[in-house]
Amino acid sequence: DQQVKQNSPSLSVQEGRISILNCDYTNSMFDYFLWYKKYPAEGPTFLISISSIKDKNEDGRFTVFLNKSAKHLSLHIVPSQPGDSAVYFCAASADGNKLVFGAGTILRVKS
Amino acid sequence: NAGVMQNPRHLVRRRGQEARLRCSPMKGHSHVYWYRQLPEEGLKFMVYLQKENIIDESGMPKERFSAEFPKEGPSILRIQQVVRGDSAAYFCASSSRTTHTDTQYFGPGTRLTVL
Repeated sequence: DQQVKQNSPSLSVQEGRISILNCDYTNSMFDYFLWYKKYPAEGPTFLISISSIKDKNEDGRFTVFLNKSAKHLSLHIVPSQPGDSAVYFCAASADGNKLVFGAGTILRVKS
Repeated sequence: NAGVMQNPRHLVRRRGQEARLRCSPMKGHSHVYWYRQLPEEGLKFMVYLQKENIIDESGMPKERFSAEFPKEGPSILRIQQVVRGDSAAYFCASSSRTTHTDTQYFGPGTRLTVL
């Protein structure tokens, strides 16, 4: 039962362009959503989060959009940089305790 | 400004041995979470602990796995009689939980290999 889905296993983007990573969820009780970035052999690094009372949160080059009616969120990175190449995980929480993760999307930014 | 610390970073065990994984939360954090990542998969929640208390262990296998977070010292994830299927990356996260939506910050992980 995958409650958080990242349907694109990988994404390739040219340096300087926008990267859009998508995430869908099924549990309507989720009220807090996060994006993490992960390099090989390292732990996930927190990027940005959004509460269900908002539909957009921005932090520098990173913006997260939440569409509650569609149970969909997306992470926009603009402009994309080669150092952004990593695996991106979407995560959600319903009770402030455990996070439910998607399977991840590999982002490759080509220079 | 130490983040979440985990040791060892790599651990090799033979089938039937015990594995002990340690996690020290960020300074000021008293809530610890353990996750496991199997190859080609996302992270899966295992257990959530506060000092001396297990709050949620709904993701822990019923047998061979246990976790603790004593009053003093790091949190320990213990796997008894390891099997090959236990080979995975085990990540610890911590938060301050001053609000419902506090972010969890992750350590570098322990990569367990069972021979």
